[in-house]
Amino acid sequence: DTEVTQTPKHLVMGMTNKKSLKCEQHMGHRAMYWYKQKAKKPPELMFVYSYEKLSINESVPSRFSPECPNSSLLNLHLHALQPEDSALYLCASSQASLLDITGGYTFGSGTRLTVV
Amino acid sequence: LAKTTQPISMDSYEGQEVNITCSHNNIATNDYITWYQQFPSQGPRFIIQGYKTKVTNEVASLFIPADRKSSTLSLPRVSLSDTAVYYCLVLPRGGTASKLTFGTGTRLQVTL
Repeated sequence: DTEVTQTPKHLVMGMTNKKSLKCEQHMGHRAMYWYKQKAKKPPELMFVYSYEKLSINESVPSRFSPECPNSSLLNLHLHALQPEDSALYLCASSQASLLDITGGYTFGSGTRLTVV
Repeated sequence: LAKTTQPISMDSYEGQEVNITCSHNNIATNDYITWYQQFPSQGPRFIIQGYKTKVTNEVASLFIPADRKSSTLSLPRVSLSDTAVYYCLVLPRGGTASKLTFGTGTRLQVTL
């Protein structure tokens, strides 16, 4: 299995809702990432998990809460979002050690989030 | 992390060879160069990576001169389906999971 699976593919939520985005990989990768991408812009890093521990938080607002329950799963909990948070949210995974970077980083297809 | 600079956009006709050059003047000794392709509403897809000289795989070639301050992604005989955004990234070899920071990328438009 060489894929990163993200669910749901599309999500519409109100500003008072609580929702979660899910990401799963079975490649044995021990690093996982959340990215946010606005239209016609490059992906922007949000969080990095390495060996199930949060290693990088790019000063993301607390209304975004990541969670890594185990080595295969990564969640992003959403609460009290704003319309400007509407974007494509991408999950990625990689080897935790960059001594072996064959194949690079594997991205999922993303969740298209719309906040109304 | 080394900053990268690429042309914002390029146009090509189907069947032509396309070369996209990326500048990374402050690349470090341990850094390697990697390229990704992204279609609309999809995640970036790894294309190729290299450290020096030339690397070739089934979809592209990567040329890296001796000073490693730039690199060129070469796509042979492009088709309409190669229309996408192409990102050049520089990452440190070795160490632990790190930031993968995207530059603006190059938007390639292929037409008939």
